[in-house]
Amino acid sequence: GAGVSQTPSNKVTEKGKYVELRCDPISGHTALYWYRQSLGQGPEFLIYFQGTGAADDSGLPNDRFFAVRPEGSVSTLKIQRTERGDSAVYLCASSFLSGKQETQYFGPGTRLLVL
Amino acid sequence: GDSVTQMEGPVTLSEEAFLTINCTYTATGYPSLFWYVQYPGEGLQLLLKATKADDKGSNKGFEATYRKETTSFHLEKGSVQVSDSAVYFCALSDETSGSRLTFGEGTQLTVNP
Repeated sequence: GAGVSQTPSNKVTEKGKYVELRCDPISGHTALYWYRQSLGQGPEFLIYFQGTGAADDSGLPNDRFFAVRPEGSVSTLKIQRTERGDSAVYLCASSFLSGKQETQYFGPGTRLLVL
Repeated sequence: GDSVTQMEGPVTLSEEAFLTINCTYTATGYPSLFWYVQYPGEGLQLLLKATKADDKGSNKGFEATYRKETTSFHLEKGSVQVSDSAVYFCALSDETSGSRLTFGEGTQLTVNP
């Protein structure tokens, strides 16, 4: 079956612009996660959805970042007034259930560059 | 809070050499431990995992044992191949931090023929 997909694969924008990043999880997976990976670093947690609701958004760096999952499947990460420091690879992952033992399956990522 | 520390890279080995990548962790609860691998141009893939103390995860010739007494989850492989060249990430998930994964910084492995 299809894995986690993310679009676009690359996004170049100018400082101050608004961007949306999309994630399609594996069908049937109830949990969805967003991470951010800077060059040479491990991924850092941003937000986690169980179904339609954000179960944990404590990793969002500030109120310019927001994510939704309105129907419990596709999720969109939204970044307002982008800054150069937002440049990174944004990773989405999904798992069948939530919980510390569950395997998270990652998408290929969206590489965001803010000029 | 939770944290994961990996040995600094990059690591360069010759084909058929023995590999160890060290990983130690700090967690407030009883975490599950994971090794993920990122091959060039590809996304993160689960390599192996262990969910309780003394469990051994294994896959593709790689092994790691969950050592609670030393808070470690070192990755080993007896004979590496060129195709094992990738970045390896140790990670944990802890019930006190929800379902999030906390990652180490990654170790770049290059295997030369």
